[in-house]
Amino acid sequence: KAGVTQTPRYLIKTRGQQVTLSCSPISGHRSVSWYQQTPGQGLQFLFEYFSETQRNKGNFPGRFSGRQFSNSRSEMNVSTLELGDSALYLCASSLERGAKTQYFGPGTRLLVL
Amino acid sequence: DAKTTQPPSMDCAEGRAANLPCNHSTISGNEYVYWYRQIHSQGPQYIIHGLKNNETNEMASLIITEDRKSSTLILPHATLRDTAVYYCIVRGGRDDKIIFGKGTRLHILP
Repeated sequence: KAGVTQTPRYLIKTRGQQVTLSCSPISGHRSVSWYQQTPGQGLQFLFEYFSETQRNKGNFPGRFSGRQFSNSRSEMNVSTLELGDSALYLCASSLERGAKTQYFGPGTRLLVL
Repeated sequence: DAKTTQPPSMDCAEGRAANLPCNHSTISGNEYVYWYRQIHSQGPQYIIHGLKNNETNEMASLIITEDRKSSTLILPHATLRDTAVYYCIVRGGRDDKIIFGKGTRLHILP
């Protein structure tokens, strides 16, 4: 069974631009969570989607948004990019909400110049 | 804030058992202890989880103290490929977010 896939793997943007990242969960998994990882803050929870609805949200500004499609694939969007948004963005999928195990993708490394 | 405390780094000789401690003194009755690891530049990888009994799988063993305030992840025969940051996480019900702490950076010494 294929793992979690994320596209693109690497991305370079400039301040003020917006970006959309994509995540395809493991087949059959219905819950998708997003995390941001930076050297200073470590791994931080962004949000969780289940059945096309946002179920949980971390402490990030409204510039960070996401959505989930009927096939469980998910996208996250960051508008008006700032230098501090440079990070590794990780997506994780699990069978159901609150499932004991989340499986992480390889991440999308975003660099904002 | 993370609900767990881990040492920032540890060393272990190759072939020996690596014992990684985690303190979770505020854990509540319905919260599980999870362990993940992250090898450089990859996404975190699930290792093991438990509630109150000791657990073992093909990767590791998890020992949880009787009062559940601390636990130890044991990698029985550490190899160089086990070099990673290990995260201990406490998580409760379905609405509970996974909150990662700083983790322990494990160095396996040849």
